[in-house]
Amino acid sequence: AQSVTQLGSHVSVSEGALVLLRCNYSSSVPPYLFWYVQYPNQGLQLLLKYTSAATLVKGINGFEAEFKKSETSFHLTKPSAHMRDAAEYFCAVSLNSGYALNFGKGTSLLVTP
Amino acid sequence: NAGVMQNPRHLVRRRGQEARLRCSPMKGHSHVYWYRQLPEEGLKFMVYLQKENIIDESGMPKERFSAEFPKEGPSILRIQQVVRGDSAAYFCASSQGGWRQETQYFGPGTRLLVL
Repeated sequence: AQSVTQLGSHVSVSEGALVLLRCNYSSSVPPYLFWYVQYPNQGLQLLLKYTSAATLVKGINGFEAEFKKSETSFHLTKPSAHMRDAAEYFCAVSLNSGYALNFGKGTSLLVTP
Repeated sequence: NAGVMQNPRHLVRRRGQEARLRCSPMKGHSHVYWYRQLPEEGLKFMVYLQKENIIDESGMPKERFSAEFPKEGPSILRIQQVVRGDSAAYFCASSQGGWRQETQYFGPGTRLLVL
């Protein structure tokens, strides 16, 4: 079955610093991968998704992710962190059945002044 | 262009009571998914429905939980005889189609607290 692992349950960066949130996947078929963000007490908002069209995917709010098959990774990056980026970030893979998303446990991003 | 709507946003129940969670998908979406988020955990898939049909309920607990998506009206997730372990955030998502690459749009969630 398809799954994702997010390395680091908490990441802290300074405002203006590079943001790197790690996600590795396991899939026996070409994966479809997603990054979602969750602000406190809210639902999930899609940041970006990989559907095999291009390995470098640009999303909203300045985020992007690169699909690397050789490393089975789909890490999320942003060149310069803003305070408003503080949130929970979830990586997810679409199951082969096509019905459900299998989520990682999430990474909490803290941005310090 | 309203997004996915869920109500209530917060629900408090005593052990043994029933909880009903409602979800209205985005306009034009006929595929609904329910997920549960336990504290400090990611979201776990529960059930996938299309209008009047349960397509996949592999993530639903075998007892006390049921879901429906009638021809008219919202999708309902029903939890009978709630226990403290049911306390969680329940999210509904909808999509236009059921393909693997489809984006699922999430509602704000219902936070259930069982006393």
